[in-house]
Amino acid sequence: RKEVEQDPGPFNVPEGATVAFNCTYSNSASQSFFWYRQDCRKEPKLLMSVYSSGNEDGRFTAQLNRASQYISLLIRDSKLSDSATYLCVVNIGGGSYIPTFGRGTSLIVHP
Amino acid sequence: SAVISQKPSRDICQRGTSLTIQCQVDSQVTMMFWYRQQPGQSLTLIATANQGSEATYESGFVIDKFPISRPNLTFSTLTVSNMSPEDSSIYLCSVTGTGNQPQHFGDGTRLSIL
Repeated sequence: RKEVEQDPGPFNVPEGATVAFNCTYSNSASQSFFWYRQDCRKEPKLLMSVYSSGNEDGRFTAQLNRASQYISLLIRDSKLSDSATYLCVVNIGGGSYIPTFGRGTSLIVHP
Repeated sequence: SAVISQKPSRDICQRGTSLTIQCQVDSQVTMMFWYRQQPGQSLTLIATANQGSEATYESGFVIDKFPISRPNLTFSTLTVSNMSPEDSSIYLCSVTGTGNQPQHFGDGTRLSIL
């Protein structure tokens, strides 16, 4: 089983739709979680950190479920510009920083 | 967040040659990483660049093929040695602070081997 798993998609949604991605992780000692956005042939850019209590940034909401070992990203009112690959990143390990990336979920928002 | 400059942004190289990629950060950072991203794939960690000591390589990556330097807290290089077409990829450096802070990436180096 991979340490961090994501549904690769693509998720193909119309503008204005709400879409949600999940990311599961296998190591219960994982300590920090992030969502990144990567546009085609560009570097990943931090979208948001994921906090235990859940957090929201505009149209984006991230949640963490430690019991089930997954994080989620919800995008409301999708825009064409949201089309990208969304990468889940989990910091696995006790005191050391060992980041592990999921393979990414592709989102296509169409008119 | 830190400003990260990566050079070159792209290159086309002949097989058997070597290329050194530079990563410069505008502030001191604790941790620097080198990743590879092959077409259609996610990022694969090559190594952690350690300041003043040998890099820590991940499984499948060796120093002879990917020598890394990190002479100070703001600069690192990755060399891709004796290149073959299988090394065609995007190479990315990233930095982070201490603890569980997120990483920030350079623009990447798009490398094609003929």
